[in-house]
Amino acid sequence: GNSVTQMEGPVTLSEEAFLTINCTYTATGYPSLFWYVQYPGEGLQLLLKATKADDKGSNKGFEATYRKETTSFHLEKGSVQVSDSAVYFCALGPGGFKTIFGAGTRLFVKA
Amino acid sequence: NAGVTQTPKFQVLKTGQSMTLQCAQDMNHNSMYWYRQDPGMGLRLIYYSASEGTTDKGEVPNGYNVSRLNKREFSLRLESAAPSQTSVYFCASSEAVRGDTAGELFFGEGSRLTVL
Repeated sequence: GNSVTQMEGPVTLSEEAFLTINCTYTATGYPSLFWYVQYPGEGLQLLLKATKADDKGSNKGFEATYRKETTSFHLEKGSVQVSDSAVYFCALGPGGFKTIFGAGTRLFVKA
Repeated sequence: NAGVTQTPKFQVLKTGQSMTLQCAQDMNHNSMYWYRQDPGMGLRLIYYSASEGTTDKGEVPNGYNVSRLNKREFSLRLESAAPSQTSVYFCASSEAVRGDTAGELFFGEGSRLTVL
């Protein structure tokens, strides 16, 4: 069956550091890929998505590229801020009730 | 904009008690969902309602019941709470998934439930 594996956390970085959170997937067909973010005390919200191979999703300085050859969708940001501290979830689609979530990676950014 | 609203935000129950979590969305979405979030396990789907009038089991339905009251509202009921149901519960909604359409999920803020 379909599954998502993401790096375990927590990840602790200093402000302005480079961020990578790894995500790999197993799926039949051509799923869509998502990153959701959960800020403290809030529900999840969509950060970015990509619907086909080689697509790059981007939002708020975060990027992720759908790599079919390596079955990966790694999340990157060039310079993190304290306000980026949150839990990040990789997920695969097509969406709705068929969304499969990874376990989540907690990010702490220190000032 | 309210989006998805869940109540209550916090609840403490004793083993065997019952309770209902309420959820309402104002985005005119067809589909609604209940998830539970446990440490290290991501989100697991409990039940979903693809459209008004239908409900289906997700990955972890045992011990729960749901009601799709109308297009806006979707409630989750624990008939006899157990400590294993201690969790954070999220309601979500989306447009219906059609074919390869990527259906974004919109989440409420969560309900933290503790069963003693």
